[in-house]
Amino acid sequence: NAGVMQNPRHLVRRRGQEARLRCSPMKGHSHVYWYRQLPEEGLKFMVYLQKENIIDESGMPKERFSAEFPKEGPSILRIQQVVRGDSAAYFCASSPPVGESSYNEQFFGPGTRLTVL
Amino acid sequence: GENVEQHPSTLSVQEGDSAVIKCTYSDSASNYFPWYKQELGKRPQLIIDIRSNVGEKKDQRIAVTLNKTAKHFSLHITETQPEDSAVYFCAASRGSNDYKLSFGAGTTVTVRA
Repeated sequence: NAGVMQNPRHLVRRRGQEARLRCSPMKGHSHVYWYRQLPEEGLKFMVYLQKENIIDESGMPKERFSAEFPKEGPSILRIQQVVRGDSAAYFCASSPPVGESSYNEQFFGPGTRLTVL
Repeated sequence: GENVEQHPSTLSVQEGDSAVIKCTYSDSASNYFPWYKQELGKRPQLIIDIRSNVGEKKDQRIAVTLNKTAKHFSLHITETQPEDSAVYFCAASRGSNDYKLSFGAGTTVTVRA
């Protein structure tokens, strides 16, 4: 059973460009979460999605950031018009459907390290 | 929202000694408390978790305790080994359709050989 997969692992963008980060959850998992980790800091929640639904986006910046989890394919975190402050590691996590666990053991992907020049 | 504080920020122990990391949380509705280990440049890995209906859980050399009244929980690593060197994060969530994890700032553990 493959774990959570993310690509690309490293992404370099110039200011003003767009960044697209992809996350494929573990097989059988229907919940996806995105977290951001600044250098030498903890992880900060950004958004929680289920298939075709955004459940909680309370941690997402109001502008330039968006996320989706379509019926088919991976979850996408999209950052438009990137700025240097967007440089960070972006981690995706997945968890099984609620019925299988009333608590949400979250398993993390390897992360995408975004560098904005 | 939930605020999780973690200390110490760095911890150096002699191989074979114990390491203890403590976290406090602010939201009394939180009921799930996982711990993650993150090696340099790697993904956070779930090492142990505890639910609010128990006060202690143990898995080999790792144990976690929870005091809901005081709103704090701790990670204990016994007989530390060099491979235990990593950054450890505590986290908390409410569960029940509010599954986002609120993380502590992390503890860098160094095990000296």
